[in-house]
Amino acid sequence: QKEVEQDPGPLSVPEGAIVSLNCTYSNSAFQYFMWYRQYSRKGPELLMYTYSSGNKEDGRFTAQVDKSSKYISLFIRDSQPSDSATYLCATLYNNNDMRFGAGTRLTVKP
Amino acid sequence: DADVTQTPRNRITKTGKRIMLECSQTKGHDRMYWYRQDPGLGLRLIYYSFDVKDINKGEISDGYSVSRQAQAKFSLSLESAIPNQTALYFCATSDPIDEKLFFGSGTQLSVL
Repeated sequence: QKEVEQDPGPLSVPEGAIVSLNCTYSNSAFQYFMWYRQYSRKGPELLMYTYSSGNKEDGRFTAQVDKSSKYISLFIRDSQPSDSATYLCATLYNNNDMRFGAGTRLTVKP
Repeated sequence: DADVTQTPRNRITKTGKRIMLECSQTKGHDRMYWYRQDPGLGLRLIYYSFDVKDINKGEISDGYSVSRQAQAKFSLSLESAIPNQTALYFCATSDPIDEKLFFGSGTQLSVL
């Protein structure tokens, strides 16, 4: 079993839809949770960063962490074609080892 | 200019060849990393370095070596390339305060 599981998709939605991206993790020692966005032929870039259980909002993006069920989510409201990318969840295992999900490819159609 | 620069962007090589991928950064971070990305497997850590004199193995270091020539430079070598090392390789840096990673644009390596 991988330490971080993520449905690879692909996921296709119409413009304006609410998108839900999800990951589960196996190690309760994970403390920090991140979402990275990766455009084609580019390196991942940090989108959201959370530490505790609960929600964190940044514009159209909301990151949600449920440590009791080891579940992390990213919600995108009013999705735009420019949101089309691969989204990677990540957890910080210790001070030097970040574990990534496989990534979910999202396409937002105009 | 990019904060984390990787060269080359693409490389095709043959089995058994030795190759080097290079990374330089202008972010001033001490911490640098090499990851590989494979479809369905996500990003996996190969090696990391917290300063010039510090080198550590990651999750999948077999078949790879690294050199930290300066704070700004971290290179990855494949001593004898094999086809299952075909992947997209990323260099990254991080700030020790929050561990946020900053990635280069990647090197697509194909081993024939």
